[in-house]
Amino acid sequence: EAGVAQSPRYKIIEKRQSVAFWCNPISGHATLYWYQQILGQGPKLLIQFQNNGVVDDSQLPKDRFSAERLKGVDSTLKIQPAKLEDSAVYLCASSLATPEKLFFGSGTQLSVL
Amino acid sequence: DQQVKQNSPSLSVQEGRISILNCDYTNSMFDYFLWYKKYPAEGPTFLISISSIKDKNEDGRFTVFLNKSAKHLSLHIVPSQPGDSAVYFCAASDYNTDKLIFGTGTRLQVFP
Repeated sequence: EAGVAQSPRYKIIEKRQSVAFWCNPISGHATLYWYQQILGQGPKLLIQFQNNGVVDDSQLPKDRFSAERLKGVDSTLKIQPAKLEDSAVYLCASSLATPEKLFFGSGTQLSVL
Repeated sequence: DQQVKQNSPSLSVQEGRISILNCDYTNSMFDYFLWYKKYPAEGPTFLISISSIKDKNEDGRFTVFLNKSAKHLSLHIVPSQPGDSAVYFCAASDYNTDKLIFGTGTRLQVFP
């Protein structure tokens, strides 16, 4: 069974630039999550989708972050403009349903200079 | 407000001995708890879970204990192996929101 795919693995940008991350969840998984993991901290939920609808985006900084999940499968997370404090690993995860266990991708490590 | 706390950032254990990782939570609404293991440059992988209706769940070398009155859970690894060296995250789910809240992680090092 293929796992959660994420790209790119690494991204280095300057502050005020924009960046986008892509995620392809496990086939058949209805729920998709984006987490932000800052060094030394646990993953923090940014947004949760159920199919292509948003279930929770209460911790998404909506002035600069946006996410979409078209057709209830792939998802993209965008940051525009990036700030230094956005440097983190961005993890995508999927699950069959909530609160089932989550399957994580390898993440995208973002460095904002 | 850190609802899930792992107060030990690191733990070092000799191979063959028991590793005990601890986790405390503050939200009494949490009813489902999970442990994840993370190797460098990889995403977290699910290890073991426990529902609030149980106080113990065992899977091979891994056992999770839940003490609801103390709002505390622990992960026991027996015997510990060098391949267990990783960062372990405790996570909890709220039945109202189904949101998964993670702790800050404990880095376990198992040495020969």
